[in-house]
Amino acid sequence: QVQLQQSGPGLVKPSQTLSLTCAISGDSVSSNIPAWNWIRQSPSRGLEWLGRTYYRSEWYNDYAVSVKGRITIKPDTSKNQFSLQLNSVTPEDTAVYYCARSYGGNGFDSWGQGTLVTVSS
Amino acid sequence: QSVLTQPPSASGTPGQRVTISCSGSSSNIGTNTVNWYQQLPGTAPKFLIYRNSQRPSGVPDRFSGSKSGTSASLAISGLQPEDEADYFCAAWDVSLNGAVFGGGTKLTVL
Repeated sequence: QVQLQQSGPGLVKPSQTLSLTCAISGDSVSSNIPAWNWIRQSPSRGLEWLGRTYYRSEWYNDYAVSVKGRITIKPDTSKNQFSLQLNSVTPEDTAVYYCARSYGGNGFDSWGQGTLVTVSS
Repeated sequence: QSVLTQPPSASGTPGQRVTISCSGSSSNIGTNTVNWYQQLPGTAPKFLIYRNSQRPSGVPDRFSGSKSGTSASLAISGLQPEDEADYFCAAWDVSLNGAVFGGGTKLTVL
């Protein structure tokens, strides 16, 4: 049974960088099958997929067009976790952020607990 | 504005059958499978249906899914009070090269 445990600050100032981490238990970030995703949810934007990282003999990333250029998702194999960095945040980036595992077309089968991140000075 | 279109609300009485629709396009539902999620207030979404109609272990068989062309549906039969939640559809979009979600349907059990 995979479990995802999120950590990171709940308050970020405008123009700064949002950083969150998702620790994995019950699976490996380096596994050749799943992908490791970040998704956010806000009243104005609903559920929004942000991007993913996955290993298929080498590391790959896919990012949503809406945040491309500001986002980095990185695996940390030594700690079996992955991270999200979102640069130059504005109040529009205020949302509940989730990490989630996906298996191809099977969708997001495991989710972190969610982290409310507020962008405010 | 979400890429996939769902009705904002649905309702039913205990024991009834309700259906929630999800409309997309050829670049998402028309090409790839649809997954459904249930979200109770204050919690993370829960995996409900995958590959259009498959149920993960532990999901009651009262929940079923189907897909036709560029649309999909979630059906809940024998409605129970604990089914009151938000329901979201999702699919991979080949044009956007990313996952897309519906705006969610709030189900009320009257």
